[in-house]
Amino acid sequence: EIVLTQSPGTLSLSPGERATLSCRASQSVSSSYLAWYQQKPGQAPRLLIYGASSRATGIPDRFSGSGSGTDFTLTISRLEPEDFAVYYCQQYGSSPGFTFGPGTKVDIK
Amino acid sequence: EVQLVESGGGLVQPGRSLRLSCTASGFTFGDYAMSWVRQAPGKGLEWVGFIRSKAYGGTTEYAASVKGRFTISRDDSKSIAYLQMNSLKTEDTAVYYCTRGRGSAFYWGKGTTVTVSS
Repeated sequence: EIVLTQSPGTLSLSPGERATLSCRASQSVSSSYLAWYQQKPGQAPRLLIYGASSRATGIPDRFSGSGSGTDFTLTISRLEPEDFAVYYCQQYGSSPGFTFGPGTKVDIK
Repeated sequence: EVQLVESGGGLVQPGRSLRLSCTASGFTFGDYAMSWVRQAPGKGLEWVGFIRSKAYGGTTEYAASVKGRFTISRDDSKSIAYLQMNSLKTEDTAVYYCTRGRGSAFYWGKGTTVTVSS
């Protein structure tokens, strides 16, 4: 089973700043089958990025994904107030076990 | 509009069983794999498993933590996916979400809460 590690655990930033979130896999993720989700309290997760770098429908272009192999990054170019949330990465290239990372909380500094 | 509605959650004693349902609408249910993801209170997301569409054999895959205890099935005539949970443990306490597809999930239900406690 592929284990995903996300860093940092918490990122404290101000609106307008750039956020860089890391997701590292214990083994290479097949065909860049790596997704990023945003979750706010009491809500279901929202898909942001799939295939490591493709934005899901309706996702603003301030969100971008990059990486391949074992190292992936989610970048939020300029934080908006609604972007403060928890972010999870998920690999879905190795079955069984479409594992999620433990999450990175982006909170207001 | 795609909608996924989970139901069947509740309070159950350790060792007992519970069946969750995910009722889908707004798309051709039989064309898609369906997945379950859970989230324990205050914790992160955990992939539970998925069932492929009949076109891909309708086969299932499970997380190691639930394999042998949980079973995912589907009734394409009713557009419902099921999660049969047996031999429940306190650590199965979570919000259970169903999602459309087997990989990255754009569509999620709102979840149903399962509490395993004596």
